[in-house]
Amino acid sequence: SQTIHQWPATLVQPVGSPLSLECTVEGTSNPNLYWYRQAAGRGLQLLFYSVGIGQISSEVPQNLSASRPQDRQFILSSKKLLLSDSGFYLCAWIPPGRLNTEAFFGQGTRLTVV
Amino acid sequence: GEDVEQSLFLSVREGDSSVINCTYTDSSSTYLYWYKQEPGAGLQLLTYIFSNMDMKQDQRLTVLLNKKDKHLSLRIADTQTGDSAIYFCAETSGNTPLVFGKGTRLSVIA
Repeated sequence: SQTIHQWPATLVQPVGSPLSLECTVEGTSNPNLYWYRQAAGRGLQLLFYSVGIGQISSEVPQNLSASRPQDRQFILSSKKLLLSDSGFYLCAWIPPGRLNTEAFFGQGTRLTVV
Repeated sequence: GEDVEQSLFLSVREGDSSVINCTYTDSSSTYLYWYKQEPGAGLQLLTYIFSNMDMKQDQRLTVLLNKKDKHLSLRIADTQTGDSAIYFCAETSGNTPLVFGKGTRLSVIA
């Protein structure tokens, strides 16, 4: 069966520190992968999506970046965190060949920048 | 860009029906979804409807789609305390990433 893992579950980081959030998918190959951020009162904002290894599309310009070093691994990074980067980060995947008809989400990472 | 709007809060009594509404702007929306998010957790797909359907029923859940008005609703019959969560409406044309509303926080009063 397919599963998605996202870690860590919670993270408290000081302003200016780097960030690395990891998401991996099991039981499938060539999935479309997504990073969303959920900020208080602002719903879900699409940050990045990837349709294959090394292919990253950015939806919102900011100090975050994403990478897909392996087929089932999607990493969200920052060199220097800002207070405004606080939020709940969700990784999602779409089965290959299903276009965007159904997304499965990880359990999320609660990031607090202090 | 495309937009999805939802009311932010809804409060109902246990046993009553809940109706959560959503409007969207993308006329090419083909797939519309309802996701549920419990506290501190990721999103769980509840149900979805294709744009060529008017209604879909799944146990206590009924989804109604008015494509002309670009209006989607989720009705939860016999609402229980376990239904307390944030409910997200989302849409896609199929070739674009999902666009989500801000979510409706449903509170069920015992």
